[in-house]
Order: sequence, then C-alpha cells, then structure tokens
Amino acid sequence: GDSVTQMEGPVTLSEEAFLTINCTYTATGYPSLFWYVQYPGEGLQLLLKATKADDKGSNKGFEATYRKETTSFHLEKGSVQVSDSAVYFCALQNPNYQLIWGAGTKLIIKP
Amino acid sequence: GAGVSQSPSNKVTEKGKDVELRCDPISGHTALYWYRQSLGQGLEFLIYFQGNSAPDKSGLPSDRFSAERTGGSVSTLTIQRTQQEDSAVYLCASSLDKDTEAFFGQGTRLTVV
Repeated sequence: GDSVTQMEGPVTLSEEAFLTINCTYTATGYPSLFWYVQYPGEGLQLLLKATKADDKGSNKGFEATYRKETTSFHLEKGSVQVSDSAVYFCALQNPNYQLIWGAGTKLIIKP
Repeated sequence: GAGVSQSPSNKVTEKGKDVELRCDPISGHTALYWYRQSLGQGLEFLIYFQGNSAPDKSGLPSDRFSAERTGGSVSTLTIQRTQQEDSAVYLCASSLDKDTEAFFGQGTRLTVV
C-alpha cells in the first residue's frame, strides 16, 4: 500500500541554519504531496503542497519539490528561526482522498 | 465559526464505557475526515464523508468505531466499549471539496483508564 517515510527526529539546529527534512513516498500513480506543521499547542496546519511532478510548493520560506524520479518531497528552508520549532509531517493523498502520513519530525531551533 | 471545532478537548473514560466525540466543520465544507494520532501508530485515517455520498469507512479499526454526519454538517465519532489502545488524539478535518486544502481541528485527547 501507499506509504510515506520521513527522517526521524528530533532535528536540532541553531537559528539561521539551513534545514532539510527528508521525505520519500511509495504510491501507485502520482499522488498530491503535502507538508503539514504542528506548532506546540496548536492543530495541524497545511504548510505547502505540490500536485504533480516537478511542482515546487513554497510558504513562509519553506520549499519542497515533487521529484517523481526519486519519489521524494524533501522540505527545505534557507535560514530557520526559533519560531519554526514544531513537528513537521509529510503526507500524500491517495486516490480515495485519504491522507497517508509520515511519522513526523520534531524540529528544535536554538537561539 | 472560523475553523473546525472539536469537543470535548479532553476526555478521560473508563475501559468498557462508550464515548462520543464531536466535530463542527467549517461552514460550507462538503468533505469531512476523521484521523487518529497515537504514539504507536502515528497519524491514521479513520473515515471520510463527502457530501451525500456513502462514507469511506475503510480506516475504522474495529466495529466498535462508528461515525455519522448529520445534515452534511456536524459529525460524531462514537467508540463503544473503549479499550486502552483507543487512547489517542482524534482529529477532525474539513475541506471545501475533496481536492482542496483540509483544515484541522485541535483534536480530542482521549484517555482510556
């Protein structure tokens, strides 16, 4: 079945560091791909998405590119801030409109 | 309301009791989803409602779980004869349509003791 694998955390970085959180997927066809973020004490929020190969989703300085050849959707940010500390989830939407989730990666940014 | 509202925010129940979890989606959203977030299993799909179509119940883990959506709006997830493994955060999400962004509620944290 469809699945999403993302790097385990926690990931700890200093402010202004470069961030990459890896995400790969297994799916039939070409699903839409998502990154959701869960800030402490808050609900899940959509961070960005891409619906087809080579699409780049971007929001709040974060980017991810849909790579069909490597079945990947890695999340990147050039310069992280303390306020980016959160749990990040990679997900795909299967043909039945269900979201299939990665395990989540906790990101800790130290000042 | 402005967002998806879930109640209660926390629920502690004794093993064997029934519980009902409520979700008020964003007004006008035709799609409604329930997910479960637990330590052992991560985030899992439970059930999906789309308009007046029959719901997709393929994610419900056992026949103790059921859900309904009345009048295309409010949804209730019911867990009968709760077990300790049912302890989790139950998340509701709604979207304007099946292909559009899903907005999540804050969740109901269920603890079965």
